[in-house]
Formats: sequence, structure tokens, C-alpha cells
Amino acid sequence: AQSVSQHNHHVILSEAASLELGCNYSYGGTVNLFWYVQYPGQHLQLLLKYFSGDPLVKGIKGFEAEFIKSKFSFNLRKPSVQWSDTAEYFCAVNAYSGAGSYQLTFGKGTKLSVIP
Amino acid sequence: GAGVSQTPSNKVTEKGKYVELRCDPISGHTALYWYRQSLGQGPEFLIYFQGTGAADDSGLPNDRFFAVRPEGSVSTLKIQRTERGDSAVYLCASSLTRSGGENEQFFGPGTRLTVL
Repeated sequence: AQSVSQHNHHVILSEAASLELGCNYSYGGTVNLFWYVQYPGQHLQLLLKYFSGDPLVKGIKGFEAEFIKSKFSFNLRKPSVQWSDTAEYFCAVNAYSGAGSYQLTFGKGTKLSVIP
Repeated sequence: GAGVSQTPSNKVTEKGKYVELRCDPISGHTALYWYRQSLGQGPEFLIYFQGTGAADDSGLPNDRFFAVRPEGSVSTLKIQRTERGDSAVYLCASSLTRSGGENEQFFGPGTRLTVL
């Protein structure tokens, strides 16, 4: 079964600092990779996704992520964070479960706090 | 258009009671998923419906949990003989077509279940 590891539980940054959130997954086959974000009081929403092609994918609000197959990683980056980026970020892998469907497996999440 | 809706938003019950949680997916979405998110964890897959049938229920923790989707739209997650360990946020998601690696899942706001 697939698994996802997010290295940081809580990250605190000042506005304009650069962000990188680590994500590693464990799965031997083809994967589809996602970053979801949950702003305070809101539901999970998609930030960006990787299916195939260019391993550097760009998402909403200036976020990007790079898929490095050899490292089983899909790290999320943003060059300059804003206070409004304060949220919890979840990395997820969609892979065939062997039980008849693709299953989305999430990491434990990284809480980002941006200080004005 | 309307997103995924879930009712109730909060449910408090006593140990041993029966609860039902409802999910109304995005209109036209044939795939529906239930997840459970415990405190400090990412969402964990419970069950996936394609149309009216449960295509993958491998994530249900035990036989106290059951879900239905009788008309291929609204789904109800049913928990019998609730235990304190069932306390969590129950998330519903839907996607346009059958479960596949590339299909984006749209999440509802969740139902926070507290078992006293």
C-alpha cells in the first residue's frame, strides 16, 4: 500500500520568506500527486496536481511543486509567502489500491503560520 | 455551482448510539468518496462509490460502519454502536467520473462527530 510522509508538522515564517514543504511517498508504480490546502474554517481544496509530463507543476496563488521520481518526492514551494497563505497543507498520492479502485492517500499535513 | 455539501456540520452523540452522516455531491459527479480525519492526521480513505454501488470499501474500519448511495447521488454514512474512538471529522468528496488516477476530488466541509 502507498504511504505519504510530510516532514514538517508546523512551519512558521515571516511574510516574504520562501517556503518549501517536503513530501515523500512510498509506492512502486505509477502515481498521481496532489497538494491540497485547507484554510482556517474552510474545506480542503486543490492547490496543484501532477499526472505526467513536465515534473515542475504550477498551481494557484503562486505555488509550485517538483516531482522527482528518483527521490519519490513532490515538494511544494513558494518564493514569497503572504499572511493569507496561513493554512494546513496536505500532500496526497493517488494510486491503484489493488482493491478495485484508485485510492487517495494523504500525508499528516503541515501547518503553515505566516507572521505579518 | 454548488459544491459538495454535508450535514450535519457537527454531531454530538453518546457512546453506543447510532448516527447517520449525509453527503450531497456535486451534481453530475458519479464517483463519491468518504474519508475520516482524526486530530493531527490527514484524511483516511473509507469507501468509494461509483454510481449506486460501493466499488471499494476496503477502508471501512469494521462492520459497525456502513454506507449507502441508493440513487447514485446522495450518500449516507452510517455508524452503529458508536465508540469514543470514532470521534473525527468525516469528509465526503466527489469526482466527475469513475475513480482514476487523474480525477480531481472535490471535498465537502465535513461533519465533526464527537462521541461522548
